[in-house]
Amino acid sequence: GAGVSQSPSNKVTEKGKDVELRCDPISGHTALYWYRQSLGQGLEFLIYFQGNSAPDKSGLPSDRFSAERTGGSVSTLTIQRTQQEDSAVYLCASKMGAESPLHFGNGTRLTVT
Amino acid sequence: AQRVTQPEKLLSVFKGAPVELKCNYSYSGSPELFWYVQYSRQRLQLLLRHISRESIKGFTADLNKGETSFHLKKPFAQEEDSAMYYCALSTDSWGKLQFGAGTQVVVTP
Repeated sequence: GAGVSQSPSNKVTEKGKDVELRCDPISGHTALYWYRQSLGQGLEFLIYFQGNSAPDKSGLPSDRFSAERTGGSVSTLTIQRTQQEDSAVYLCASKMGAESPLHFGNGTRLTVT
Repeated sequence: AQRVTQPEKLLSVFKGAPVELKCNYSYSGSPELFWYVQYSRQRLQLLLRHISRESIKGFTADLNKGETSFHLKKPFAQEEDSAMYYCALSTDSWGKLQFGAGTQVVVTP
């Protein structure tokens, strides 16, 4: 594949609804990261998967946020009962090895109305 | 906890003028520092990392452990340098990157 693929590219949802954001990392990349990009806030780390290790969930802002990575490849970030403050661009990134650079996707722009 | 500070939200420079983006970090150990760039309508991408000690697109950055800084510099800015620049810190190879808030650079002719 050409790079990290994220879908949908845009998502508008009503407050209180659940949303699922998908990330397809580059084939062979063992590490996968989710970040949130808000205006004026920079990039906020959310969660990180590395191989078969337990994910690092230390950045998830609340228990409404969860993520899983199936088969060591595709990842889904789920936000339950969305709030307006969840509106942001959600970025996924992957990398092949410890010394490799992060490759980012184009992101999913989430708007909660 | 580690922290990355980029004090300038917006930097406006004329084409051909020098540009310096400031980045300061707080971490007691030996971090790895990066600069990432996001051009308009493009995805975020690595510009350079301190361990490579190389110049990319005319940009250089030196890690100053005494001042805990990793400022990004270019002697002659070009219009195509207009972008959002993020400084980032990692405390281990596999671990998460801690990003600064970013600096928007606008280069005017």
